[in-house]
Amino acid sequence: DVKVTQSSRYLVKRTGEKVFLECVQDMDHENMFWYRQDPGLGLRLIYFSYDVKMKEKGDIPEGYSVSREKKERFSLILESASTNQTSMYLCATTGGHKTAYEQYFGPGTRLTVT
Amino acid sequence: DAKTTQPPSMDCAEGRAANLPCNHSTISGNEYVYWYRQIHSQGPQYIIHGLKNNETNEMASLIITEDRKSSTLILPHATLRDTAVYYCIVGIIQGAQKLVFGQGTRLTINP
Repeated sequence: DVKVTQSSRYLVKRTGEKVFLECVQDMDHENMFWYRQDPGLGLRLIYFSYDVKMKEKGDIPEGYSVSREKKERFSLILESASTNQTSMYLCATTGGHKTAYEQYFGPGTRLTVT
Repeated sequence: DAKTTQPPSMDCAEGRAANLPCNHSTISGNEYVYWYRQIHSQGPQYIIHGLKNNETNEMASLIITEDRKSSTLILPHATLRDTAVYYCIVGIIQGAQKLVFGQGTRLTINP
């Protein structure tokens, strides 16, 4: 079974802080995604990576950056947290013999920026 | 533009089969039907996908109509832990694609 872990389940940060969210997967998947999920707005893609050191912007990359130095690890960075980045952040992976929409999610990080 | 439509909510008694419908009348020939669910405060969970044949795995069965314009996800013996929002999406299988969920069906399993 695919295991996707995220560094924190709940996080509270202050406005202006730099925030690191980490995602680790154990299935050697090439593709990794960062989404955020907000009530009424559904799931929105922030960034994805299809290989080590490769990254592509999703629909809402502003205010975020990512890092993928190792295949199993994909980090999301909030350079200067703002209150409108309060959200549920979800990491997902797919690859190998899995199909494009067969994505495996971590438990999520509920981030609150005050 | 929604590619799938699902009822907003459904109820099912524990131990009975839960049948969740999905309409996807504009599905293309190379698009698959995928189902996910999301239990409250957890990440989405992939359930099953199919092209045109019925599919079954340890979690559920997927029945796709012959014209492929609709499908039904079947949870054969629903338990309280199956209470969740269920999402039906359609898409191709190649590459890496972003997931976009519609409103889904909120399934409540009653004791």
